[in-house]
Amino acid sequence: DAKTTQPTSMDCAEGRAANLPCNHSTISGNEYVYWYRQIHSQGPQYIIHGLKNNETNEMASLIITEDRKSSTLILPHATLRDTAVYYCIVRAPIQGAQKLVFGQGTRLTINP
Amino acid sequence: DVKVTQSSRYLVKRTGEKVFLECVQDMDHENMFWYRQDPGLGLRLIYFSYDVKMKEKGDIPEGYSVSREKKERFSLILESASTNQTSMYLCASSLWNGLGGELFFGEGSRLTVL
Repeated sequence: DAKTTQPTSMDCAEGRAANLPCNHSTISGNEYVYWYRQIHSQGPQYIIHGLKNNETNEMASLIITEDRKSSTLILPHATLRDTAVYYCIVRAPIQGAQKLVFGQGTRLTINP
Repeated sequence: DVKVTQSSRYLVKRTGEKVFLECVQDMDHENMFWYRQDPGLGLRLIYFSYDVKMKEKGDIPEGYSVSREKKERFSLILESASTNQTSMYLCASSLWNGLGGELFFGEGSRLTVL
């Protein structure tokens, strides 16, 4: 699995867009980019994933660069409840089971 | 909504005890996983299963075993608990659809071994 690099921590003001970067320079052509988050004392929660096109759902947008070596997760209007650790993961769905390897993630703090 | 339910949120056991952690999912997912999470180490995969009665070792299977007798239930067993198995244990399930099915996690079981 391709290694990912994320900042250890970030801050964002409530109501503003939170942009979380992720570098995955060794990503292979068939590897997807996944984002999960983990709110304190809860299990991780799936946010979004993509291959090469930008993706948007009700939670967030995922912007993947054209060379696919990096991506950005965008929370358009951050709220206090978005305070969590955000994990960027790359994985190729070539096996029957999704074995995702979680790194250290980015600790995002939303400030009032 | 997919629901993954872990039997206990908090457990305290003594060294040498046999410990069962139960996980049930209600969405007919083929794949189920057990992770443990420790500060500074992130989530580490212990075992996973892609079908009933099938199991595969993850990255840290030593000291653990699993059981998948029914599709909806995946149990993690600590045959003889040790203090270094004090951790947060997370169960997850996923539906394999060939396009990258996401994992759905339970709330976690925090185990303390004294």
